[in-house]
Amino acid sequence: AQSVTQPDIHITVSEGASLELRCNYSYGATPYLFWYVQSPGQGLQLLLKYFSGDTLVQGIKGFEAEFKRSQSSFNLRKPSVHWSDAAEYFCAVVVGSNYQLIWGAGTKLIIKP
Amino acid sequence: GAGVSQSPSNKVTEKGKDVELRCDPISGHTALYWYRQSLGQGLEFLIYFQGNSAPDKSGLPSDRFSAERTGGSVSTLTIQRTQQEDSAVYLCASSFTNEQFFGPGTRLTVL
Repeated sequence: AQSVTQPDIHITVSEGASLELRCNYSYGATPYLFWYVQSPGQGLQLLLKYFSGDTLVQGIKGFEAEFKRSQSSFNLRKPSVHWSDAAEYFCAVVVGSNYQLIWGAGTKLIIKP
Repeated sequence: GAGVSQSPSNKVTEKGKDVELRCDPISGHTALYWYRQSLGQGLEFLIYFQGNSAPDKSGLPSDRFSAERTGGSVSTLTIQRTQQEDSAVYLCASSFTNEQFFGPGTRLTVL
C-alpha cells in the first residue's frame, strides 16, 4: 500500500541555521510529491511540488526539495531558517486518478532564537 | 472570497448528536476533498467529489459519516451519532488541476 513516512516528529533548529526535513514514500509508479506547511491556527499552504523533470524543485519562502528515486525520498531543505518558519510540515504523495493525497504524519519545526 | 471557506470554525457537541460541517470551494474548482486531521496525526482522506461523477467514499471510517455536494459547489459533511473518537479537525480542499487548496478547517470536539 502507498505510504509516506516522515521519521522526525520534532526538529529544533537555531535561527539562521540550515534545515532538512526528511520524507520517504512507498509508491509503485512515478509519484507526484508535495510539501505543505501548516502554521498554528492556519490552513495548509503548498510549499512546492514535484511531478516530473528537474529533480530539484524550488518553492515559496526559500524552500527547495530534491526527489531521489533511488532512495524513494523527497527531502525539504532551506539554507537559513527564520523564526517565522516555525510550523508543522507535511509531505504528501498523490495516488490514483482522483489525485487523492496520502500524507505523512508531519514534522513540527521549532526555531531556537 | 478567493479561498476555500469552511463553517463553523469550531463545533462542540455532545456524544450521540449529529453535526453538519460545510465547505465552500473556490469557484470553478471541479474537485472537492474532505480530510480529517486527528491530534498529532497526518491527514486522513475521507471522500472525494469530481464534477457530476459518483463520489469516492472509500475513506469514510463508518456509515455514520456521509457527505453531499450540491450543484457541484458547496459540500456538507454529516456525522451522525457522534463519538468521542470523531474529535478532530476536518479539512476541505478543492482543486481544478493537480494542486489542492485547503480551507482553514472545522475543529470538532465531541464531549
